[in-house]
Order: sequence, then C-alpha cells, then structure tokens
Amino acid sequence: GAVVSQHPSRVICKSGTSVKIECRSLDFQATTMFWYRQFPKQSLMLMATSNEGSKATYEQGVEKDKFLINHASLTLSTLTVTSAHPEDSSFYICSAQFPSGANVLTFGAGSRLTVL
Amino acid sequence: GDSVTQMEGPVTLSEEAFLTINCTYTATGYPSLFWYVQYPGEGLQLLLKATKADDKGSNKGFEATYRKETTSFHLEKGSVQVSDSAVYFCALGGGYSSASKIIFGSGTRLSIRP
Repeated sequence: GAVVSQHPSRVICKSGTSVKIECRSLDFQATTMFWYRQFPKQSLMLMATSNEGSKATYEQGVEKDKFLINHASLTLSTLTVTSAHPEDSSFYICSAQFPSGANVLTFGAGSRLTVL
Repeated sequence: GDSVTQMEGPVTLSEEAFLTINCTYTATGYPSLFWYVQYPGEGLQLLLKATKADDKGSNKGFEATYRKETTSFHLEKGSVQVSDSAVYFCALGGGYSSASKIIFGSGTRLSIRP
C-alpha cells in the first residue's frame, strides 16, 4: 500500500535556528502533497498545498517566508521552519495524494518540533 | 465555506459498549466524506470513506453512512475494544477534484476501559 515517510519524527532546536522536515512518498509518485499543523488536542490545520515543480499554495494566515515549502521531485516535499521560535513548537504532518484514490490522502507519522 | 462539526470529547466507554460519534458537515457541491483515526504517537490513518449520498463506509467493525438529507456522517461501532482508543477525525473533501484539500473536524478522543 501507499506509504509516506516523514523525517525527522522529533526535533529539538534553539530559538532562531531553521529546521527542515522531509516528506517522502515511498512507493508512489505524488504531484500534490499537503502540510498540516496540529496543536495539542486540536484538529489539523492545513498550512499549504505543495505542487511538484511549482510554488506552494499557502492558506490564509500562514507566513510564506516563515514556512518554506519545496517540492522538487515527485516523491519529496520539504518544509523548512525558518528562524524558529517557541510558538512554532507543534506537530507537523504531511500527506500525499495517492494517484488512484480520489481524495484519499496518505499521511506521514508526523514530526514533533520543539523550539527552546 | 466548507466545514465539519463533530461531537466534542473526550468520550469514555467500557469495553463492548456501543459507540456513536456524531459528525455533520456544511459543503457546496458533492463532497466525499471520511473518518480518519490517529492512534497515540502515530499519524492519521484512513478508517473509512463514502463518496456519495447513501453510501456506507465500513472498516474494522466501524460504519458510517453518508446522509445528504441531514448532512451527517456519524461513526458507529457495535462493540468497542480497548484497542479502539484513539482520536477520531471526521473530514470532507471535494468529490470532483483529485487535488482538493481535505477539511477536518476538531477530533474526538475516545478512551475504552477494560
């Protein structure tokens, strides 16, 4: 079945540094990937839609320069949290559109970011 | 805009009890409806889905029926197990665009007592 791998699963960084999170579709090509943010005990908030070979589409209120998304190949999308601050600490989850499954998303296991 | 409302948790039940988690939606067009489950420390997994009115999605003993007249997609299970303890998310997505984004409800935390 479709598998999406997310790395790292946990990362701790100092305030002001940048952190990159990778999202890979392991056995299928994904032209579209989605990045979500999940606050404790809350639902997933869609941050942006990542399209292979083009600029990401960001949701209202999400800072493009803060959360850089690159979708350089059909199997890899990256999210870089730039100049991270403690309020950026959260659970970040990516998902990929499986080609033959209409609107069925396969999710990565998530990356927990803690900014000190 | 499109939205999903699901019953607030947490929900605590004893093993073998009957489960219902309510979900209603607001959408234009004809969305697909989903239930996702998130086990502790893991990412979301698709539990079941329905793509059109009156469809019933089912998996692992869970069922949900797409009710257009009541704009609902309630999740049910006849006899829950401890292993069903997780957070359940109701969601909707565009039914006619393969790249449509999924909109999630706020999630319902379910705890099952042995």
